[in-house]
Amino acid sequence: DTEVTQTPKHLVMGMTNKKSLKCEQHMGHRAMYWYKQKAKKPPELMFVYSYEKLSINESVPSRFSPECPNSSLLNLHLHALQPEDSALYLCASSLGGAEGNTIYFGEGSWLTVV
Amino acid sequence: GNSVTQMEGPVTLSEEAFLTINCTYTATGYPSLFWYVQYPGEGLQLLLKATKADDKGSNKGFEATYRKETTSFHLEKGSVQVSDSAVYFCALSVVSGSARQLTFGSGTQLTVLP
Repeated sequence: DTEVTQTPKHLVMGMTNKKSLKCEQHMGHRAMYWYKQKAKKPPELMFVYSYEKLSINESVPSRFSPECPNSSLLNLHLHALQPEDSALYLCASSLGGAEGNTIYFGEGSWLTVV
Repeated sequence: GNSVTQMEGPVTLSEEAFLTINCTYTATGYPSLFWYVQYPGEGLQLLLKATKADDKGSNKGFEATYRKETTSFHLEKGSVQVSDSAVYFCALSVVSGSARQLTFGSGTQLTVLP
């Protein structure tokens, strides 16, 4: 089973709203990732959690706040977003460390900011 | 730094035609190489991978061989189908701390006509 599950699949939010994207995997992976993808572009890395600790933050604005409650779950909290933040948000996971060279992606959450 | 250069699209083929999508890379160390596919409205799916020189990855009739001497990982399929219409991303991954760093090419849009 190589499944990464993301909810919700679609989200529309106003610029003053607070919402969260959720991601779950049960593959025993210890590294989890958030990517942002705009139309017709490759995904761009936002955050990396490794062994439940934030290890990479790619200079993402503070209106995006990641959280890793445990090794299976990854959240992305959204607050005061801008219309240009509308995109596909992809969660991914990998075994962690030097093991497991493959990163597996979820189906994504389509976010529209109005 | 690491980089992936991918054949520019879009590519339009007739059903049962032969497909080649070129991919070359620059990397320090020993990367693993991947092809991901993104069908319309969906997330990224791992199509195939190769972890060391001369490895051949294959899946669903697609193949790619890790060529260290030419730093290439070209994707091929002998007979494409309409259902293969999608965006294809070449990528490399290296260990970065206790996680993986994934570098994508720009993506190639493939359209297969009946």
